[in-house]
Amino acid sequence: DQQVKQNSPSLSVQEGRISILNCDYTNSMFDYFLWYKKYPAEGPTFLISISSIKDKNEDGRFTVFLNKSAKHLSLHIVPSQPGDSAVYFCAASVWGGGSNYKLTFGKGTLLTVNP
Amino acid sequence: EPEVTQTPSHQVTQMGQEVILRCVPISNHLYFYWYRQILGQKVEFLVSFYNNEISEKSEIFDDQFSVERPDGSNFTLKIRSTKLEDSAMYFCASRRTQPSNQPQHFGDGTRLSIL
Repeated sequence: DQQVKQNSPSLSVQEGRISILNCDYTNSMFDYFLWYKKYPAEGPTFLISISSIKDKNEDGRFTVFLNKSAKHLSLHIVPSQPGDSAVYFCAASVWGGGSNYKLTFGKGTLLTVNP
Repeated sequence: EPEVTQTPSHQVTQMGQEVILRCVPISNHLYFYWYRQILGQKVEFLVSFYNNEISEKSEIFDDQFSVERPDGSNFTLKIRSTKLEDSAMYFCASRRTQPSNQPQHFGDGTRLSIL
């Protein structure tokens, strides 16, 4: 069941440059999308989210873009820092009446930011 | 900042034995969740819990699984007769209900190893 796909298992960027992580989804019912960051031996940490009524949401160095027609979202990190090195998960949810807001996750992308 | 806490961090159990994983959600959160991640695979939804009852469960969450909120702070996942394939990281998450579009916050997980 590949409702949320992160096709790049890994990404390597230089410190100070932009990191772009991509995510595709197939379920058109999804209307709330989140990015989580995960360090080894820790749980996923919420980074940023976007609802389907928007196409962009920004929080400091992190920006999420949503293209509903393409069923695609991306996370931009600018500038990238070595401490950003982690696994990044894309997750999606249905945010409707009666929904339990369960999250469907992608497989994750390992980001390595080199000093 | 309030956190979701999970105990133990690592549980080793013989196949066929019962195991209870414990979670303390964030205190003003009303939605609770269990997810699991088998090594090398996606984070998968198991069950959601709201208003003292299961609100949704996945196909994985069969009769061997149960959840309980025994008091005002703990949220537990019990596996009655563990199987080798239950070996995974189990994550607890919780979420506020208001304002709308609240993300789920995760604990650091319990690594369950079935021998």
